[in-house]
Amino acid sequence: GAVVSQHPSRVICKSGTSVKIECRSLDFQATTMFWYRQFPKQSLMLMATSNEGSKATYEQGVEKDKFLINHASLTLSTLTVTSAHPEDSSFYICSAKTGGEVYGYTFGSGTRLTVV
Amino acid sequence: GQNIDQPTEMTATEGAIVQINCTYQTSGFNGLFWYQQHAGEAPTFLSYNVLDGLEEKGRFSSFLSRSKGYSYLLLKELQMKDSASYLCASMDSNYQLIWGAGTKLIIKP
Repeated sequence: GAVVSQHPSRVICKSGTSVKIECRSLDFQATTMFWYRQFPKQSLMLMATSNEGSKATYEQGVEKDKFLINHASLTLSTLTVTSAHPEDSSFYICSAKTGGEVYGYTFGSGTRLTVV
Repeated sequence: GQNIDQPTEMTATEGAIVQINCTYQTSGFNGLFWYQQHAGEAPTFLSYNVLDGLEEKGRFSSFLSRSKGYSYLLLKELQMKDSASYLCASMDSNYQLIWGAGTKLIIKP
């Protein structure tokens, strides 16, 4: 089946630095990828929708200059958390549509970001 | 507004049956999903309902009533490995998933 590879799985960074998270579709082309953030014991919150070759669409309240999304190819989308702060510590998950099926969403394994 | 409600936590006994309820209100409707999420991991797909009725898949079944904006996930013959959070998500008219906060299911021996 469709696989989405997300890297790194865990990252600890210092406050003020930037962190890049990669999401790759391994055996299919993902024209659309979704980036979620999940705080402990809370729901998945959609941050942005990433479309190959165009600008990402950000949800209300998500700072596009802080969470940079690049979807330069049909198999790779990246999320860069710039000037990270402790409040950015969270679980970040990407998801990709796997084709024409309505329920064809596959998730990456997630990235646990801790900003110290 | 759009809203998904499900219980925060449930406890059940190994070998028993548990039903996790979900009510939803979304702008348009293109189906109801259930996902399982173990702590520290990404969600994994369990079921998808778009028509009313019960869909059975092994030990897990999912039910949908569109008129009531209601779904449930039924887990039978509970095993310790079923301890996880179960997320209900409704797909709206824009094919966007609206997520519930998840139900943490605790299985006791």
